[in-house]
Amino acid sequence: AQTVTQSQPEMSVQEAETVTLSCTYDTSESDYYLFWYKQPPSRQMILVIRQEAYKQQNATENRFSVNFQKAAKSFSLKISDSQLGDAAMYFCALSNFGNEKLTFGTGTRLTIIP
Amino acid sequence: EPEVTQTPSHQVTQMGQEVILRCVPISNHLYFYWYRQILGQKVEFLVSFYNNEISEKSEIFDDQFSVERPDGSNFTLKIRSTKLEDSAMYFCASSFRTGDGQPQHFGDGTRLSIL
Repeated sequence: AQTVTQSQPEMSVQEAETVTLSCTYDTSESDYYLFWYKQPPSRQMILVIRQEAYKQQNATENRFSVNFQKAAKSFSLKISDSQLGDAAMYFCALSNFGNEKLTFGTGTRLTIIP
Repeated sequence: EPEVTQTPSHQVTQMGQEVILRCVPISNHLYFYWYRQILGQKVEFLVSFYNNEISEKSEIFDDQFSVERPDGSNFTLKIRSTKLEDSAMYFCASSFRTGDGQPQHFGDGTRLSIL
């Protein structure tokens, strides 16, 4: 069975600063995918960034980037130049190659301080 | 941008009653999913659905639950004889492909409260 752990229930960051959200995971598979989803208050979960495990290069999407450490089974999300609109619950998730289900962490609630 | 829509946003039901949660996936998506999140806990996979049949289900998805795609647009989750512990947020998701890291697109969720 696979597991995803987010050890930071809440984080806060000053606007325009950088924040890193932690995620560790466990899977017996060698080929899998990792995701960060963002859920603003009363809104749907939207994909922030995706990483294929077979790729060594860390994924980036504008102000969002990941630090993927496969050996350590770590997948952290870095948000640069934090904006008020980044305030949300952030979920780390994993799916194995050839498998449909996503396994989620418990989430990190991010607050942006103006 | 196309969205997954779920209705109702909040459903209150007496224990023992049946409830149907509705979802309209993105129109060209072929794979459909239900997840639930009990307050304060993880989002958990319930079931996936493709080509008019269940392709995978979790141990949570027992005989109390069923899914259906009654027409070309809706995807429903039925919970029979609801229990207090069924109170949760239920999320529908859809994707065009599966198994290769194709992102799943989620709806806003339905908050189900069992009294």
